[in-house]
Amino acid sequence: EAGVAQSPRYKIIEKRQSVAFWCNPISGHATLYWYQQILGQGPKLLIQFQNNGVVDDSQLPKDRFSAERLKGVDSTLKIQPAKLEDSAVYLCASSFERFGGNEQFFGPGTRLTVL
Amino acid sequence: AQSVTQPDIHITVSEGASLELRCNYSYGATPYLFWYVQSPGQGLQLLLKYFSGDTLVQGIKGFEAEFKRSQSSFNLRKPSVHWSDAAEYFCAVDGGGFKTIFGAGTRLFVKA
Repeated sequence: EAGVAQSPRYKIIEKRQSVAFWCNPISGHATLYWYQQILGQGPKLLIQFQNNGVVDDSQLPKDRFSAERLKGVDSTLKIQPAKLEDSAVYLCASSFERFGGNEQFFGPGTRLTVL
Repeated sequence: AQSVTQPDIHITVSEGASLELRCNYSYGATPYLFWYVQSPGQGLQLLLKYFSGDTLVQGIKGFEAEFKRSQSSFNLRKPSVHWSDAAEYFCAVDGGGFKTIFGAGTRLFVKA
């Protein structure tokens, strides 16, 4: 079974530029998550999709971050414009269903450096 | 609000020695509890989880964790550490609302 795929693995941009990350979850997984992991911290949930609908985006900085999950499969996360404090690893995860205690499967992450 | 505290930022143990990583949570009821491991450059992998029932939970790679309601703790243990266990370990809680809250992590160093 293929795992969660993410690309790119690394990205370096200058502040005020735009960047997009792509995620392909495990086949059949209805729930998809985007996390931000700042160095020295645990992952923080940015947005959660159930199929192609958003169920939680309370911690997504909506003035600069956007995400979509078309057709309930792949997802993209965009930052526009980027700030220095956006430097972090962006993790995508998926789970079979959205209920308490469901195991999440994580991709390798995209390391973003904003200069 | 639910929260997770991992008091130790990093821990160093000798190969073959026992390991205990601490985790305390804050939640009004018994939440779902998890331990994940993150190796360098990789995503997180689930080690074990607790929902209910037996308070001693067995996981992969020889890890176990014990849920103690009275102490609001869910500590991770391994009787004999291998060099390949060097990684970052995250405790997490899902207290309902289907949102998982992660602790800040504990980095494990293993010395020969």
